[in-house]
Formats: sequence, structure tokens, C-alpha cells
Amino acid sequence: DADVTQTPRNRITKTGKRIMLECSQTKGHDRMYWYRQDPGLGLQLIYYSFDVKDINKGEISDGYSVSRQAQAKFSLSLESAIPNQTALYFCATSGTGNADTQYFGPGTRLTVL
Amino acid sequence: SQQGEEDPQALSIQEGENATMNCSYKTSINNLQWYRQNSGRGLVHLILIRSNEREKHSGRLRVTLDTSKKSSSLLITASRAADTASYFCATDVKGAQKLVFGQGTRLTINP
Repeated sequence: DADVTQTPRNRITKTGKRIMLECSQTKGHDRMYWYRQDPGLGLQLIYYSFDVKDINKGEISDGYSVSRQAQAKFSLSLESAIPNQTALYFCATSGTGNADTQYFGPGTRLTVL
Repeated sequence: SQQGEEDPQALSIQEGENATMNCSYKTSINNLQWYRQNSGRGLVHLILIRSNEREKHSGRLRVTLDTSKKSSSLLITASRAADTASYFCATDVKGAQKLVFGQGTRLTINP
């Protein structure tokens, strides 16, 4: 079974809808991240969490919120989706220390119409 | 502007040839990592090189790091069709406690 899973894998929604993307990991890592990838571009950090009580904004947090429900679970919400949030979303985890290797989920392809 | 910028943006070579990708960055780092992404999938870690290291090997991969020039290169030797993917460098910036990714090099290996 995959170490980092994301649900859903694909989602099409309409402008103004609230969307939640979920991430679960079995690696026992404390650190979890949400990234966004636009076509042909690199990854931009949305939010990250170093433990259950810790939430930090990344480069592009506006329009997004997160919840760290447990060590293994980290959710990303779009409160009111807009078309320019159409992108690939990736969850990742890492151990403690100086930005240890990150392990990525398979991604969620989100389309906002 | 991007902490990590990669060059070239796209590279197309024949199977069996070597592929070299470069990454430049702006600020001091703890380490630099390279990741591979097959089309539309999650990134997979390839190799990590620490700031006090100059060269590292893993199978057909060779990574160099020049901290004085703030640059790194990834060499893939004897390329195979399965190496077709996008390759990203990611810098662990000192004091930031997170990785900053470049925009990637899209590598195509032609049979």
C-alpha cells in the first residue's frame, strides 16, 4: 500500500463551492505539506505542519485553509473555489531534521469551472 | 523570484546519451535535493547532497554542488526511455525549514 495517499484523485467542481482534499500517511512522519503545481511549473508551497498543533502558511496560502486532524492526516480546504485554483495538488511528508527527504502522494487533479 | 532555477527548461536526447541538468540558487542552503516527476504523478526523491559535499553518486546519477557558485548539476548517464520525466531541484534554505522547488527540466529520451 502507498505510504502517502490522497483523496480524491480527481475532482471537478464549480466556482464558489467548498472543496476538501485529504491526505493520509503511514510513514509516521511529523511533518506534512501541501503543494500546488500549475502546468509546466514547479511546486508552490501552500501550507505546512510540523506536528499536530502546528500550522504554517506557505507562499500561496490565500484562498486555502488546512486542518491537521492527527499525525497521519492533513486536509486542505478551498473555502470558495475559483477557476484559477485549477491545478494539481500534492501532499508530502518528511521526518524531522533539516528538510529531510519529502515523500509525495499521487496528487489530486482539481478543476474549477 | 525562484530560489532554484533550472536550465535547460527542456532537453531532448537519444537513448544511451548522457543528460545534464543544472540548478542555480540564491541563498545559503543546508542541502540540495533532486526529484523526478513522471507525467502528472507525485515527485520521487532521487538524491540529496549536503552543503559540505561536492559530489555524490547513486547508480547512473551523479550530482555535483558548487556552493561558491550556488549551483548544482544532475548527470544521468547512459539514458533510457524510462528516464523520460521532469526533474526538479529543491533547496533546503538555511533557517527556512522547508524545501523550495525549482521549475524543473523536462527530459525526453528518444528511442
